[in-house]
Amino acid sequence: GENVEQHPSTLSVQEGDSAVIKCTYSDSASNYFPWYKQELGKRPQLIIDIRSNVGEKKDQRIAVTLNKTAKHFSLHITETQPEDSAVYFCAAEDKLSFGAGTTVTVRA
Amino acid sequence: EAGVTQSPTHLIKTRGQQATLRCSPISGHTSVYWYQQALGLGLQFLLWYDEGEERNRGNFPPRFSGRQFPNYSSELNVNALELEDSALYLCASSWTGSNGYTFGSGTRLTVV
Repeated sequence: GENVEQHPSTLSVQEGDSAVIKCTYSDSASNYFPWYKQELGKRPQLIIDIRSNVGEKKDQRIAVTLNKTAKHFSLHITETQPEDSAVYFCAAEDKLSFGAGTTVTVRA
Repeated sequence: EAGVTQSPTHLIKTRGQQATLRCSPISGHTSVYWYQQALGLGLQFLLWYDEGEERNRGNFPPRFSGRQFPNYSSELNVNALELEDSALYLCASSWTGSNGYTFGSGTRLTVV
């Protein structure tokens, strides 16, 4: 089955700085890579996703890059704001295997 | 459009009892997924149902089971509860073959 590793487990950044979270996966057949944001006490919500036929996707301050050859993908958050503080999970299809999560804290 | 709904929101059981958790997917979604999220930990895949059939299960013992009804709602049953089963149980739904998952708010199960 798919094995997804996510790093770092915790990330503290100054407001306005960038945050980068990296994930690696094992199954080369995976072709869909979503990122979920889970605020404290709330459900995970999809914030951005990328498919294997695309190398990069951007949505305002959030971007995701994918390197299929190396089997890794990353989430980039620019100009971080306090409301970006949450746990972020990466995942890889098939069967939606999740990474262990990254707790992001944005310091005001 | 109503989202994924789960019930109950909280459930307290004693060790050895059975727990039943319920999930109603978004209208039109035929796949339902169950995940366990223990405190401070990630999302562990439990079960995937699609069109009434169990399609895949994660690395959990057989006392974790479930089913999907003709209206695509689903039930997760946990038998012989153990203290370490205490966790948030999340349900997600999608269309068959779709990659887009929408999560419910979860059921917080506490085993005492």
